Amino acid sequence: AQKITQTQPGMFVQEKEAVTLDCTYDTSDPSYGLFWYKQPSSGEMIFLIYQGSYDQQNATEGRYSLNFQKARKSANLVISASQLGDSAMYFCAMREGPRGGATNKLIFGTGTLLAVQP
Amino acid sequence: GAVVSQHPSRVICKSGTSVKIECRSLDFQATTMFWYRQFPKQSLMLMATSNEGSKATYEQGVEKDKFLINHASLTLSTLTVTSAHPEDSSFYICSARDVNSNQPQHFGDGTRLSIL
Repeated sequence: AQKITQTQPGMFVQEKEAVTLDCTYDTSDPSYGLFWYKQPSSGEMIFLIYQGSYDQQNATEGRYSLNFQKARKSANLVISASQLGDSAMYFCAMREGPRGGATNKLIFGTGTLLAVQP
Repeated sequence: GAVVSQHPSRVICKSGTSVKIECRSLDFQATTMFWYRQFPKQSLMLMATSNEGSKATYEQGVEKDKFLINHASLTLSTLTVTSAHPEDSSFYICSARDVNSNQPQHFGDGTRLSIL
């Protein structure tokens, strides 16, 4: 079974509108972390936002917020007021085990290509 | 600024050549670094976990004799693609985490490897 599932291969959004990128995950570990990264065409991975499994509140970072629904095992990324520079590939990732654990390896979803239209 | 430096950013070489890629943490110590591989329009797949002072841990299906990893210091890990062939052409990207902070993994800018 897929550990991280991103069901939207591509999304269009109008500039200045909000967009939600979906991510569901599967783990039996009670302690885990969820990440979103942005990858522009140049290839670098840009960290956007983090949500820990024990965090009581949804994470927010500027225009990015994470809609964490633990019971549904979903961690959707919401980008508000989209900008042209937001056009990129977006990856959801999961770390199993506690923060600061021995390996902290990340498992990535297949990504969603976001295109912001003027 | 960048906290993880990856070099080179682009390599084009002949089949049979061995290629070394460096990953450096610039202002923190990284006892563990990670090497990922990404084919065009696909996700990042973890190849191996590089452990300072000990052997790397390879993911299932990754040939350890093909992809040699050395993590000789707390700030440097190297990935050597030995006797590279066209099917090894890919985007290789490393990441590292500062063990003394709660910051997430920082990624290098990646290396585009093209084997002709």
